[in-house]
This record gives sequence, C-alpha cells and structure tokens, in this order.
Amino acid sequence: DQQVKQNSPSLSVQEGRISILNCDYTNSMFDYFLWYKKYPAEGPTFLISISSIKDKNEDGRFTVFLNKSAKHLSLHIVPSQPGDSAVYFCAAGSLGRLYFGRGTQLTVWP
Amino acid sequence: EAGVVQSPRYKIIEKKQPVAFWCNPISGHNTLYWYRQNLGQGPELLIRYENEEAVDDSQLPKDRFSAERLKGVDSTLKIQPAELGDSAVYLCASSLPGTGDTGELFFGEGSRLTVL
Repeated sequence: DQQVKQNSPSLSVQEGRISILNCDYTNSMFDYFLWYKKYPAEGPTFLISISSIKDKNEDGRFTVFLNKSAKHLSLHIVPSQPGDSAVYFCAAGSLGRLYFGRGTQLTVWP
Repeated sequence: EAGVVQSPRYKIIEKKQPVAFWCNPISGHNTLYWYRQNLGQGPELLIRYENEEAVDDSQLPKDRFSAERLKGVDSTLKIQPAELGDSAVYLCASSLPGTGDTGELFFGEGSRLTVL
C-alpha cells in the first residue's frame, strides 16, 4: 500500500514555462516532505523540503506547496530549463523513515 | 568533499548465488541507510543505522538479507542466496546528525543488481 503517490509518470514542458509536479499522500502523521531529483545512472539528490507546519517553501526557481487538508504536495519550477529534465521523486517522512513516490519524468524542451 | 561511495556499480549473478554491496558514507555522517529501488518504483528503505546500531531494519528480508556496519563508518549489504526478484538498484545514503529527521539524505550512485 503506497503512502506516497505520484500519479503522473511523465510531464513535458517548454523551456521558460512553469513545471508543476504533483504528489498525494495518505498518512496524516508525516512530519516533513521533500523533493528529490534523479539523473540517469546517478543517485537521487535533495532538491527542496517543507515541514508539515508550513504551507510554502521557496528556493530560487523551486517552490514547494503543501495542502495538508487535501494531503497534497506540489513542486513548481519557474522558469523551467532543459537542465531540469530528470526524474523527480516526492518523499514524505516521519520518525526518520522516508517514503518515496514512483517518480515523475520531467522533460523540458527548447 | 567526497560523496557517498558505493561498489560495485553493476553486478550480474545467477540465482542462488551470494552477492555483497559496499558503501562508504560521507565523512561525519553517522546515519547510514540502505534503500532498494525496483524498476519504475521509488526507493524503499531496507535498513537504517545510527553509528553501528541498526535502529530500523523492519523492512529487511532477514531470511536472505544481512547488513553490517561494524565500526560505524562503512557498511556492507549481503544477499544470500539471491532470487530473481532481487534484481534492483541498491542505494546507500547518509545524513548529518539531526538532519535525518528532516529527510535530507545524500545518496550514492547505487549498485545495480541483475539476477539471472
């Protein structure tokens, strides 16, 4: 039973536009939420996180939004760049354990 | 600064054979994790160490999997005997003291296992 779900396996966006990646979770006890980015043949790298007590966190072009009532998390990338093309994993955690979604392949085309 | 180092990067074995993976975390990271990532899935935690103590191994299939971190630094994950369903990427990660609770893990490049 997946506790973190990414229902869109892929997303294609033109360079300069906004990319919105979505994630849903089922466990209301999660304390923190994160996004990881993964390039082929590399391990995931941390991108941005948000605590359960906040609803928005921004870091440069990346903003994560948390809607606890809907148990929904989203990552906005503005403007999108070709180098952002990667698999993005949503993750949620509590008590030192992280649960990952299946990932969304983002492709940013020129 | 060196990242998390894993070896081997790739391993192909026949079923019922043993296999071992090695991980050296980032210096100063006392928390070490082993994750398994099946094709098309996200990483799933197998075991978490705080120094040399395994503090979360509830997801480790203990009939065939074992792990150790004897001196609280590098770690080895072993599978014996391997089964076809063990084909996956085995990821090692580490975190700074305290940050593991916020999920900021540093991952290695992974060891891709293929069981024939």
